[in-house]
Amino acid sequence: DGGITQSPKYLFRKEGQNVTLSCEQNLNHDAMYWYRQDPGQGLRLIYYSQIVNDFQKGDIAEGYSVSREKKESFPLTVTSAQKNPTAFYLCASSGGGLYNEQFFGPGTRLTVL
Amino acid sequence: QQPVQSPQAVILREGEDAVINCSSSKALYSVHWYRQKHGEAPVFLMILLKGGEQKGHEKISASFNEKKQQSSLYLTASQLSYSGTYFCGTNAGGTSYGKLTFGQGTILTVHP
Repeated sequence: DGGITQSPKYLFRKEGQNVTLSCEQNLNHDAMYWYRQDPGQGLRLIYYSQIVNDFQKGDIAEGYSVSREKKESFPLTVTSAQKNPTAFYLCASSGGGLYNEQFFGPGTRLTVL
Repeated sequence: QQPVQSPQAVILREGEDAVINCSSSKALYSVHWYRQKHGEAPVFLMILLKGGEQKGHEKISASFNEKKQQSSLYLTASQLSYSGTYFCGTNAGGTSYGKLTFGQGTILTVHP
C-alpha cells in the first residue's frame, strides 16, 4: 500500500538535545512538507521541498533543519535552538498537477522534558 | 496571513446540516479542506480552484466565492463519523505549487 510513514509515534527528549523525526513516502511524490501543530491550533509550515536536494523555509523554520537527499525521505531535525519544541509534527507529500493535494502521515508527538 | 474560519465550534444532532466558512484577505488560487480526528493526521476532503473546478469527497460539497475570497464547506445529513476538527488551507501562490496556510480550525461535534 502506498502511503506516508512517520516514526516514532511518540518521542521524548531532554531539553537541549537535538532530535530527528523520520518521514518516508512511497507515493512517488516530488514535494514533501513538515508542519507543526500546537493544541487547539491549525497547522504551521516549517519547511518544504519541491524536489530532491532542494528545500525552502516555511513560516516557522527557526530552530529546525531538514535534508532531502532522496525522493522518498524528508527528515526533520529539531535543534536545541528551538525554544518550545513540544508539539505534534506532521509530514505531508503531494504529487503535483492541477490540484496538488497534500496527503499527511500519522504524525509524531514530541515532548521535551 | 492566516485565513479565518467560522464558526469556531458547532454542535449537531445526527441528520442536521452545518456550514463552515473560510475567509482570506489574499487572492487565492485554491482552497483545500481537511478533517482531523483527535491525535490523527488530517484527511483530505475537497479542493476548490479559482475558476470553479473542484475535486473531492462524494458526500461533501463546498463552494468558493472568488470575489470575496471565501469558501464554504457544506455538511448535510450529518453522521457521527463527521465529528472532528475541520481545517481550510489556502494557496495564494498563483499555481497549484503554492504553499498552504491553514486556518485555526472548526470543531464539529455530532451527537446521536
